[in-house]
Amino acid sequence: EAGVVQSPRYKIIEKKQPVAFWCNPISGHNTLYWYRQNLGQGPELLIRYENEEAVDDSQLPKDRFSAERLKGVDSTLKIQPAELGDSAVYLCASSAYRGYEQYFGPGTRLTVT
Amino acid sequence: GQQVMQIPQYQHVQEGEDFTTYCNSSTTLSNIQWYKQRPGGHPVFLIQLVKSGEVKKQKRLTFQFGEAKKNSSLHITATQTTDVGTYFCAGPYAGGTSYGKLTFGQGTILTVHP
Repeated sequence: EAGVVQSPRYKIIEKKQPVAFWCNPISGHNTLYWYRQNLGQGPELLIRYENEEAVDDSQLPKDRFSAERLKGVDSTLKIQPAELGDSAVYLCASSAYRGYEQYFGPGTRLTVT
Repeated sequence: GQQVMQIPQYQHVQEGEDFTTYCNSSTTLSNIQWYKQRPGGHPVFLIQLVKSGEVKKQKRLTFQFGEAKKNSSLHITATQTTDVGTYFCAGPYAGGTSYGKLTFGQGTILTVHP
């Protein structure tokens, strides 16, 4: 069984530029999560999808962040414009159902200069 | 809001020594999950505890869930260099649309000296 796939693995951009991250969850997993992880800290939930529906997006800075999960499978997280403080690892995870164990992808390490 | 705290933040041990990390939640948890993140890697699910007072073992790892379901611990017996990494506990919100949302502790970073 293939794991959670994310791309790109690394991204370096200048501040004010846009950036997008892509995630393909484990086949059949209904729930998809986007987390941000800063160095030395645990993952922080940005948004959770139940199929196509976005729930738990209270931590998503909606003025600059957006996300979508078309057809309830792949998902994209976008930042526009990026700020220096957005530098972090962005992790995608999926689970069969909400509350079940989560499977994380390798993450995208974003550096904003 | 819900807070999940872990201690210690760092632990350095000699190979063969035991290691324990503790997790405390500000609210009662429906269950608790433990994850391990190797340096440069991503979190990997280890186990989920559901019942009050539950104890589960995975080889040298022993996981406990407190009677009040507000705390948990992970104990590693006779550490090996392969145990190096950050250990996170995570507690889910219960009820409403936030059910299934995990709050992660800040993690305990374990280093093992050979």
